[in-house]
Amino acid sequence: DIQMTQSPSSVSASVGDRVTITCRASQDINKWLAWYQQRPRQAPKLLIYAASKLSSGVPSRFSGSGSGTDFTLTIGSLQPEDSATYFCQQGTGYPYTFGQGTKVEI
Amino acid sequence: QLQLQESGPGLVKPSQTLSLTCIVSGGSISTGGHQWTWIRQLPGKGLQWIGYVYHSGSTYYTPSLESRVAISLDTSENQVSLRLNSVTAADTAVYYCARVRYFDTSASFDYWGQGILVTVSS
Repeated sequence: DIQMTQSPSSVSASVGDRVTITCRASQDINKWLAWYQQRPRQAPKLLIYAASKLSSGVPSRFSGSGSGTDFTLTIGSLQPEDSATYFCQQGTGYPYTFGQGTKVEI
Repeated sequence: QLQLQESGPGLVKPSQTLSLTCIVSGGSISTGGHQWTWIRQLPGKGLQWIGYVYHSGSTYYTPSLESRVAISLDTSENQVSLRLNSVTAADTAVYYCARVRYFDTSASFDYWGQGILVTVSS
């Protein structure tokens, strides 16, 4: 299985801050990475696919980058509603696997 | 707007079979070439992909669950089903159904149900 490792496991930041989360794959996954946001007691929501493409309706303060094994999710100006856990997921090798999550607290 | 809704028992006894249904509304599960998948979230832990069923009925399961799991489509009811046999406490989780979205050859999950908590306990 392809292992996905996120860092940090949690981050505390203020409204307006820029927040960066990293995700590392145990092998080359090209650009085939997605990011999800999960608010408490809700299902995950797709934010970004193919490493950098914004899913429909997702605010432009969210951006993704990277290829190969190293990826980042950036929240450009943190908003109160961004308090959530963020997961990365590789979509190229079976079984599909997720990172362990990064909790963003405001 | 596509909507997914999981249903089923919230409590299953050890060694029995977990059976869940995902009702899909706002679109047909048998068109569009989509895959339909189940994902679970173990308590306090991350997300585990269980497997998928293609609109043709073909399936793929994660190897660690392959011997116990079955995912199927009921096109007449526009539903996706999950069966997991011989459950133990380790199968206690929130179970989600989701639609698989492909971009080039890469999969992500663009529509999710709200999830259903299934507890395995006697």
